[in-house]
Amino acid sequence: GAGVSQSPSNKVTEKGKDVELRCDPISGHTALYWYRQSLGQGLEFLIYFQGNSAPDKSGLPSDRFSAERTGGSVSTLTIQRTQQEDSAVYLCASSPMTGLGETQYFGPGTRLLVL
Amino acid sequence: GESVGLHLPTLSVQEGDNSIINCAYSNSASDYFIWYKQESGKGPQFIIDIRSNMDKRQGQRVTVLLNKTVKHLSLQIAATQPGDSAVYFCAENIGAAGNKLTFGGGTRVLVKP
Repeated sequence: GAGVSQSPSNKVTEKGKDVELRCDPISGHTALYWYRQSLGQGLEFLIYFQGNSAPDKSGLPSDRFSAERTGGSVSTLTIQRTQQEDSAVYLCASSPMTGLGETQYFGPGTRLLVL
Repeated sequence: GESVGLHLPTLSVQEGDNSIINCAYSNSASDYFIWYKQESGKGPQFIIDIRSNMDKRQGQRVTVLLNKTVKHLSLQIAATQPGDSAVYFCAENIGAAGNKLTFGGGTRVLVKP
């Protein structure tokens, strides 16, 4: 069956521009997560959604980062006024529900390069 | 997602040998642990998980061991194959903190034919 998909696969932008990254979770999965993977680092949690609500936004690095989810499905991560340190791979994952032991299935990621 | 870069610990293993990948976790309150495999250009792929009330769990060719006393997790891969070459991450979750996963830095496994 279809897995988590993300678009675009790659994004090159200029410093100061805004970008939107999209995640399509596995159909029927109520929980959706965003992580960031920087070069030389492991994965860093950003935010997660249960349905359309975001109970935990604690990983968003600054107020330039925001995310929304509509219809309990697609999510968009927006980075305003991008900086070079935002360059990373942004990964989305989904799970059937939230709760201990719910496996998170990852998409292929969006590689963001801020020049 | 692209695997992380230049300074990952690397385990080189001969094809057919067993591999052991180690991970130290930080939070004694963590109650769920997962191993992920990440191949170049792809997102992490679930391998196996274990809850804190267990100390061993086996899957197909993989075994995860958990030692809560020293906060140590290991992944054993039996009869390592070329397709096992990837970066492996452990992740921990504290149930009381929701579903946020905290990932380790990763270990690169290179399988030599």
